[in-house]
Amino acid sequence: GAGVSQSPRYKVAKRGQDVALRCDPISGHVSLFWYQQALGQGPEFLTYFQNEAQLDKSGLPSDRFFAERPEGSVSTLKIQRTQQEDSAVYLCASRLELAGGSYEQYFGPGTRLTVT
Amino acid sequence: AQKITQTQPGMFVQEKEAVTLDCTYDTSDQSYGLFWYKQPSSGEMIFLIYQGSYDEQNATEGRYSLNFQKARKSANLVISASQLGDSAMYFCAMRLLMEYGNKLVFGAGTILRVKS
Repeated sequence: GAGVSQSPRYKVAKRGQDVALRCDPISGHVSLFWYQQALGQGPEFLTYFQNEAQLDKSGLPSDRFFAERPEGSVSTLKIQRTQQEDSAVYLCASRLELAGGSYEQYFGPGTRLTVT
Repeated sequence: AQKITQTQPGMFVQEKEAVTLDCTYDTSDQSYGLFWYKQPSSGEMIFLIYQGSYDEQNATEGRYSLNFQKARKSANLVISASQLGDSAMYFCAMRLLMEYGNKLVFGAGTILRVKS
């Protein structure tokens, strides 16, 4: 497709379960970002990839959160032992160039995670 | 630390009128970019407009314009001739151009409701 896609769109997990969220960026986009958006709030940065390299993971809230992009295209955000405070929309975004400039990040539709 | 402040939790505007959504930012960096995104109830983040810190003229994109006042560190979005489809959440965001990866820092957002 032409845009960023994410799956699943909705995920309900019981507290303590592990979840995996997938992001398919726009083909050829070097940069990939994950954001967490709590209800009624703006997105908050989680982690950044340049191709397959995870260069910034300063926003990951705990060691239960893990992200990978092994071949420099598709990325997976994994949350282990989910907790209620993990309930949020997880947004993936990709960008063509490496840094700088006015190129915007293209966002996917998000995965809404609800932990019960 | 970088911060975006959107002081208007919600705004109403009459259809066909103009509306201004406020955004102030805080950074000590000289090179940065300012973005506005629209997020309808469907959840996707839609890029609207970009202003670079060194751009001398205010950015415009169709019915959207950005009122950039660098000394006051404000980047207000002006929507002219509001339409019912403009009803959505609007986020102001900043990107530091000298920061590796250039992640976006978002404000808390403003909900805009257009009345017919």
